[in-house]
Amino acid sequence: QVQLQESGPGLVKPSQTLSLTCTVSGGSITSGGNYWSWIRQHPGKGLEWIGYIYYSGSTYFNPSLESRVTISRDSSKNQFSLRLSSVTAADTAVYYCARRDQKAGYFDYWGQGALVAVSS
Amino acid sequence: DIQMTQSPSTLSASVGDRVTITCRASQSINSWLAWYQQKPGKAPKLLMSKASTLESGVPSRFSGSGSGTEFTLTISSLQPDDFATYHCQQYKSYPYTFGQGTILEIK
Repeated sequence: QVQLQESGPGLVKPSQTLSLTCTVSGGSITSGGNYWSWIRQHPGKGLEWIGYIYYSGSTYFNPSLESRVTISRDSSKNQFSLRLSSVTAADTAVYYCARRDQKAGYFDYWGQGALVAVSS
Repeated sequence: DIQMTQSPSTLSASVGDRVTITCRASQSINSWLAWYQQKPGKAPKLLMSKASTLESGVPSRFSGSGSGTEFTLTISSLQPDDFATYHCQQYKSYPYTFGQGTILEIK
């Protein structure tokens, strides 16, 4: 059973960089052809796909956030990370890491979510 | 981007009711649609994919239909555990997009 767990600061100052890490257990992020994604949910709103890192290491981002997003991985720790630069209050959200099924585009495993507030 | 629009935004219903949630895509997505259930403070849970294929363990009272631009999620007889928020998601093309969610509340 694949499990994902987000970790990182719950408060970030405006203009700084938001950093979150997702630790995966029950499966390797470097095998199986899966896509390891970040998704966020603004308070009381719908879900927004941020981007993914493929098992091969390649990445792809939502064009709306592409200029500010980096997704990387630490294979030795079976973790992947999100960095979102130049944050504003509009980036306040619950951030989820999730696995996109290798064969189709739905998300079958999710972390529990991490609330990140942007405030001075 | 493909826009996904759910209706209604909020649905009030009672245990035992049959309810339907609609999801419309701004362009054809064939059957590349997933439905999720989300409870307060929890992550979304995948209910079904390819518009109508139930995930293992999902009760048979849930069903999905549609193709192209219009889709529905139906719960045949609401149970107390079903009161939650439901999201649709298209995976026809990137960036993957979600509907705004439908809150299913107890009447």
